[in-house]
Amino acid sequence: KQEVTQIPAALSVPEGENLVLNCSFTDSAIYNLQWFRQDPGKGLTSLLLIQSSQREQTSGRLNASLDKSSGRSTLYIAASQPGDSATYLCAVSKGTSYGKLTFGQGTILTVHP
Amino acid sequence: DAGVTQSPTHLIKTRGQQVTLRCSPKSGHDTVSWYQQALGQGPQFIFQYYEEEERQRGNFPDRFSGHQFPNYSSELNVNALLLGDSALYLCASSSLLTPGYNTGELFFGEGSRLTVL
Repeated sequence: KQEVTQIPAALSVPEGENLVLNCSFTDSAIYNLQWFRQDPGKGLTSLLLIQSSQREQTSGRLNASLDKSSGRSTLYIAASQPGDSATYLCAVSKGTSYGKLTFGQGTILTVHP
Repeated sequence: DAGVTQSPTHLIKTRGQQVTLRCSPKSGHDTVSWYQQALGQGPQFIFQYYEEEERQRGNFPDRFSGHQFPNYSSELNVNALLLGDSALYLCASSSLLTPGYNTGELFFGEGSRLTVL
């Protein structure tokens, strides 16, 4: 059974800092990994998708890496801003699962001015 | 381009009642998945529909059932509501995963917040 763990559970940083969020998964036979952002009481916004054959993806100030063999992914946020405050979730899928994602519990990020 | 839309956004029910939640997928998507997110937890997969059939199911009891219509929209039904069913219910849409053909990326709606009293 796939299990996904995110560390840290919560993170508070001053504006402008670069930060790293970690995600680990127990079964390396994944098809892809997605990072999401969730604002309080809202739905999930897809940030980055990494296919199992890829090593990283970048979008603006965000960079996600994937090391499938070790079962790890990191989300790097450069020059953090108060608007980045949210919960960040990672999720993995298997190729035969047609959209069944297994999620971590998320990292609650607070960026203070 | 309309994204995934869900209704209602909030609702309150009492124990033992039944509820129906609705979802319209993103334009061009034919597959709908439902997730339950309890407070402070990551979403948990309930089930997935494609071609009007349930294709996969997570570890949820039969009280949870669904339907997909010919226009790809979907409903989630929960019978005999329990206090523990209080959660945010999320709908996600995608194109049927075809390895090497599409990415399998999922797009989520804003969710339906269910409170059971």
